[in-house]
Amino acid sequence: EPEVTQTPSHQVTQMGQEVILRCVPISNHLYFYWYRQILGQKVEFLVSFYNNEISEKSEIFDDQFSVERPDGSNFTLKIRSTKLEDSAMYFCASSVQGGRTEAFFGQGTRLTVV
Amino acid sequence: KNQVEQSPQSLIILEGKNCTLQCNYTVSPFSNLRWYKQDTGRGPVSLTIMTFSENTKSNGRYTATLDADTKQSSLHITASQLSDSASYICVVSAVGTGFQKLVFGTGTRLLVSP
Repeated sequence: EPEVTQTPSHQVTQMGQEVILRCVPISNHLYFYWYRQILGQKVEFLVSFYNNEISEKSEIFDDQFSVERPDGSNFTLKIRSTKLEDSAMYFCASSVQGGRTEAFFGQGTRLTVV
Repeated sequence: KNQVEQSPQSLIILEGKNCTLQCNYTVSPFSNLRWYKQDTGRGPVSLTIMTFSENTKSNGRYTATLDADTKQSSLHITASQLSDSASYICVVSAVGTGFQKLVFGTGTRLLVSP
C-alpha cells in the first residue's frame, strides 16, 4: 500500500542551526502539507503546497520556514535558524486533491533542538 | 477562531466494551469532519471523513456521526480491542482558498485494558 515516508525519523540539532526535513509523498498525489505536534499538544497546520507554490500557511509558518519540491518526488521543510521551541514532531501529509479528499500522513520526524 | 474540542480527555474501558467519544467544533466555513487514530509516536491514520450532508459513516467497528446544525460529532467504537488503545482525534477541514486546512482537536486518549 502506498505511503508517505519521512526522513530522518529523529533529528537532533543545535539552536541556530538549519535543518531540512524530507518527505516523499504518495506518487499520484498533488497536494502536500506540513503539520507539527509539540509534545503533549495537538497537531497544528503549518503549510499547504500545490503546483509548486504555497497555497496556504499558518501564523506559525514565519520567515524561518520554507518548503520546496526540488525534484518532483521529494517535499522538504527547511527551518533556517532553529529555536528551542521548534522542538516537535513534524508530519508531512499528501492528498490526491484538496478539499474533501483524505490526507495521508507520514510517520513523522521528531526534531529536538538543544 | 476555528476550534475543535473533544471529550473526554482520556478514557479507560475493558476489552470488549463499547465507547463513544465526543467532538464539538466552531470551524467555519465548514468543509468536512474527520476522525483519525494516532498511535503514540506515529502519524494520524484516517478512520472516517464526513461532509456536511452525511449524518453517519462506518468503518468496521468505528461509527462516526455528524450533526452539522449543532456542530457536534461522535465516534462510537464497538467491541473494543486492545489494539484500539490510541489517541482519537477529531479534525475539521475549513475551506480556505479551496485547499485543505485541517484544524485538529486535542484528542481523546483511549486505553483498552484486558
